[in-house]
Amino acid sequence: GAVVSQHPSWVICKSGTSVKIECRSLDFQATTMFWYRQFPKQSLMLMATSNEGSKATYEQGVEKDKFLINHASLTLSTLTVTSAHPEDSSFYICSARDPDRDPVNYGYTFGSGTRLTVV
Amino acid sequence: GQQVMQIPQYQHVQEGEDFTTYCNSSTTLSNIQWYKQRPGGHPVFLIQLVKSGEVKKQKRLTFQFGEAKKNSSLHITATQTTDVGTYFCAGRGYALNFGKGTSLLVTP
Repeated sequence: GAVVSQHPSWVICKSGTSVKIECRSLDFQATTMFWYRQFPKQSLMLMATSNEGSKATYEQGVEKDKFLINHASLTLSTLTVTSAHPEDSSFYICSARDPDRDPVNYGYTFGSGTRLTVV
Repeated sequence: GQQVMQIPQYQHVQEGEDFTTYCNSSTTLSNIQWYKQRPGGHPVFLIQLVKSGEVKKQKRLTFQFGEAKKNSSLHITATQTTDVGTYFCAGRGYALNFGKGTSLLVTP
């Protein structure tokens, strides 16, 4: 249970194009999902909190016009990297928690991540 | 904001040796979670600690939460090659605030 599916696993795109990453909760409803970015050998940095039916909350320093987040349903959040540049190349991971599960014994579930390479 | 520091950054051990990673917060934590991320993989939840002074064990892994709820540790007894990966502690506010992680390398 509490499975989060993320697609694509990897993507290579040309500089200036946009890339959409999907994050789905398969067996639970997630009113809130989180998007992280991880550079090689570094920690996970929270980018934004995706809220179903309302605007996402972005962390300081994250450009909301560049990283568009849409959470149109209780099981799907999308992150679109617009006008991607090589410096946007990174590992993007989404996360959510099943609200029906005891948080002490079940933490957050992460998607498998998307490795974005902008050339 | 809440800052979670983690040491060491890297640890290289021989299989069978013990390993410990430490996590320190600048503020009191309501709880702390530990995750393991294998190379090329995504973080996987290990445990959550809530109570002051709490100690929890999972087979060869022992997790502690400090009395002041500002620090935590993960100790692995007799490491195995399957323990390789990066171990993150995370303080939980409305989202997870991750430490920098400790990368463990175990050589046979």
